[in-house]
Amino acid sequence: KAGVTQTPRYLIKTRGQQVTLSCSPISGHRSVSWYQQTPGQGLQFLFEYFSETQRNKGNFPGRFSGRQFSNSRSEMNVSTLELGDSALYLCASSRIPQDTQYFGPGTRLTVL
Amino acid sequence: LAKTTQPISMDSYEGQEVNITCSHNNIATNDYITWYQQFPSQGPRFIIQGYKTKVTNEVASLFIPADRKSSTLSLPRVSLSDTAVYYCLVGDQGGRRALTFGSGTRLQVQP
Repeated sequence: KAGVTQTPRYLIKTRGQQVTLSCSPISGHRSVSWYQQTPGQGLQFLFEYFSETQRNKGNFPGRFSGRQFSNSRSEMNVSTLELGDSALYLCASSRIPQDTQYFGPGTRLTVL
Repeated sequence: LAKTTQPISMDSYEGQEVNITCSHNNIATNDYITWYQQFPSQGPRFIIQGYKTKVTNEVASLFIPADRKSSTLSLPRVSLSDTAVYYCLVGDQGGRRALTFGSGTRLQVQP
């Protein structure tokens, strides 16, 4: 069974731009969570989607948003990028919320 | 959210058994304890999960005492490839999934 896939793997943007990251969960998994990982803040929860509905949201500004499609694939969008948004963005999927999460390889975003 | 405390770093040698303890004093009744392994610039990899007593799989064992306020991940006979950061994660109460990873334990295995 294929694992969680994330695209793109690497991305370079400039301040003020926006970016969209994509995540395809493991087949049969309907819950997708997003995390941001930086050296200073560690791994922080962004939000979780299940059945196209956002279930939980972490403590991030409104510039960070996401959505989930009917096939469980998910996208997250960051608008008006700031230098501090440079991070590894990780997607994790599970069959249902509260079930074990399996992570993708991440998207490395660099904001210049 | 249940807060976890782990040692920041540990050193070991190849072939030794490594035990990493995680403290989670305010674990909730419904919470599970999950450990992940992460290599640089990669996503965390699920290692093992448990609720109470002992759980063992092909890569690790997880020991959870009766009060569940701590847990110990045991890695038998580590190799150089086990050098990574290990995270202890406790599922929060109420069915919410706003799980928070602690700072993790950086394990360095020497030859």
